[in-house]
Amino acid sequence: EVQLVESGGGLVKPGGSLRLSCAASGFPFSGYCMNWVRQAPGKGLEWVSSISFTSKYIYNSDSVKGRFTISRDNAKNSLYLQMNGLRAEDTALYYCTRSSGIGNYSSDYWGQGTLVTVSS
Amino acid sequence: QSVLTQPPSASGTPGQRVTISCSGSSSNIESNTVSWYQQLPKTAPKLLIYSSDERPSGVPDRFSGSKSGTSASLAISGLQSEDEGDYYCAVWDDSLKGYVFGTGTTVTVL
Repeated sequence: EVQLVESGGGLVKPGGSLRLSCAASGFPFSGYCMNWVRQAPGKGLEWVSSISFTSKYIYNSDSVKGRFTISRDNAKNSLYLQMNGLRAEDTALYYCTRSSGIGNYSSDYWGQGTLVTVSS
Repeated sequence: QSVLTQPPSASGTPGQRVTISCSGSSSNIESNTVSWYQQLPKTAPKLLIYSSDERPSGVPDRFSGSKSGTSASLAISGLQSEDEGDYYCAVWDDSLKGYVFGTGTTVTVL
């Protein structure tokens, strides 16, 4: 059974940092691209970042470029999102998703999300 | 503000057919295939349609997708109460070099 379990969310002050993790199981992790998608409270879905199988290709949304860094460790079946310079508008539920490619590929599995709250 | 526009809401009675539109542009929908996601209340999104008109295994054939030019549509036939939730279209945008989600449509079963 495919499982994606996010962790690392919490309350952080504006300008602070947080590192999200996503533990994957039930599928060959290195054979899939991975993504982060977020959803602000009561709002719609927003794509954040994507990483290819071996980390060769990375795409980031303009809203997080220069502040967030996506990475993966295929040996540990894990995906990460290092978030620096956090702003109030980054407050959201962050989902880890997998896709069969990078770019125009749909996310066929989603985790349950980890909540990030940026507030003083 | 998303580059993909959906109606905020759609509704129907049980058994009816409901259609949700997704309007984009030449750099996204016209150039790439579209996905649709269903988000039931207080749950994570679920892939409903990929490659504009393909259903993942397990998704009922009541759900169907189509694409024409710069627009895409999701149709739900035989509407059921458990279909109540939010629906999002999504596609890669060649100009933005990013994946974009639609504004979302809330489906209500009357």
